[in-house]
Amino acid sequence: AQSVTQLGSHVSVSEGALVLLRCNYSSSVPPYLFWYVQYPNQGLQLLLKYTSAATLVKGINGFEAEFKKSETSFHLTKPSAHMSDAAEYFCAVTRGSGTASKLTFGTGTRLQVTL
Amino acid sequence: GAVVSQHPSRVICKSGTSVKIECRSLDFQATTMFWYRQFPKQSLMLMATSNEGSKATYEQGVEKDKFLINHASLTLSTLTVTSAHPEDSSFYICSARPGNYEQYFGPGTRLTVT
Repeated sequence: AQSVTQLGSHVSVSEGALVLLRCNYSSSVPPYLFWYVQYPNQGLQLLLKYTSAATLVKGINGFEAEFKKSETSFHLTKPSAHMSDAAEYFCAVTRGSGTASKLTFGTGTRLQVTL
Repeated sequence: GAVVSQHPSRVICKSGTSVKIECRSLDFQATTMFWYRQFPKQSLMLMATSNEGSKATYEQGVEKDKFLINHASLTLSTLTVTSAHPEDSSFYICSARPGNYEQYFGPGTRLTVT
């Protein structure tokens, strides 16, 4: 069964520092992987997605993620954190295929950005 | 593009009453819509999948008679929480999918049952 594991429920970085949010996946088939961001009391916004094309995926707000099959990882990075990046981040993987596909979410990582 | 709205954004209801939440895809047609529930500081839990014109498919452990889902058109799905109880208080999020895999999420509805 497809699943994702997010290491670290809470990550704190200084403004301007590198952001690294970890996600490892488990999938018996080539996965589609996603990173979403959620601000307080809001829905989810798609940051980026991997759909078996380029392994380095660039998303919005300066975020990117690299799909590493050998490590079963899809970590999210941003070179320089901004205060506005403080939010909850979810990694997700598709389970099922085609019209029957659904998303399985990780437990989330709360990113705190300090001055 | 790909905007999904939910109404209401917040609702307070009394125990024993029913409440309906609407989910609309504003600029695309969604063959499939999903309903999630999120408890404070937790991840999203898929409740059910609805396809236009057919019965919803509920995840294991979700009471279909309590959480009624109607996907009446390609742009509208509704979730009705029947005979609500305080333990139903939660953040409910819908998503809509125009194709095979990418989902677009609504802003969520916070339900408080008193």
